[in-house]
Amino acid sequence: GAVVSQHPSRVICKSGTSVKIECRSLDFQATTMFWYRQFPKKSLMLMATSNEGSKATYEQGVEKDKFLINHASLTLSTLTVTSAHPEDSSFYICSASQLVGGYNEQFFGPGTRLTVL
Amino acid sequence: AQSVAQPEDQVNVAEGNPLTVKCTYSVSGNPYLFWYVQYPNRGLQFLLKYITGDNLVKGSYGFEAEFNKSQTSFHLKKPSALVSDSALYFCAVSGNTNAGKSTFGDGTTLTVKP
Repeated sequence: GAVVSQHPSRVICKSGTSVKIECRSLDFQATTMFWYRQFPKKSLMLMATSNEGSKATYEQGVEKDKFLINHASLTLSTLTVTSAHPEDSSFYICSASQLVGGYNEQFFGPGTRLTVL
Repeated sequence: AQSVAQPEDQVNVAEGNPLTVKCTYSVSGNPYLFWYVQYPNRGLQFLLKYITGDNLVKGSYGFEAEFNKSQTSFHLKKPSALVSDSALYFCAVSGNTNAGKSTFGDGTTLTVKP
């Protein structure tokens, strides 16, 4: 149980285009999902907390107009990178939170590799 | 605020030798501690967690970790390293607020040489 998927697994796009990444909790409902960005051989940087039915909470320094997050249902959150540029190229990982034994545990998706040409 | 420190960027061990990857943390209240492994171009794989109970936690692939409250540490260990254990390891901490929002350490690259 507690499986999280991401789609696509990798995407290559031209500079100036927008890219949507989906994060789904396959066998549980997640009121909260998280989006992370990871640079090569670096740690995960939390970008935002996505709450079902409400606006996302962005971490300091993350452009909310650049990285649009929508959590329309209890099993789906989307991250849209708008007007992508080469510096947006990165590995994006989502996680979904589930209450397990009295605490909230995160389950991670497999990640999406974005390359902007 | 919560934080995690992994003081070593790189750990090198010979195959068959024991390995330790260090982690210290800071969090308000009771800590929930996790170790993950990441292979190149892959997502995170869960290894083990400490929530409550025994301080020694056993996880996947023969790994274990010891929770030490007085030293605020949660070091990852394995008695006998394998070449296939070579990967990037992350320690993470969360409290019981913010829906389990986790803070990650910077990661430690483990290299096991034959």
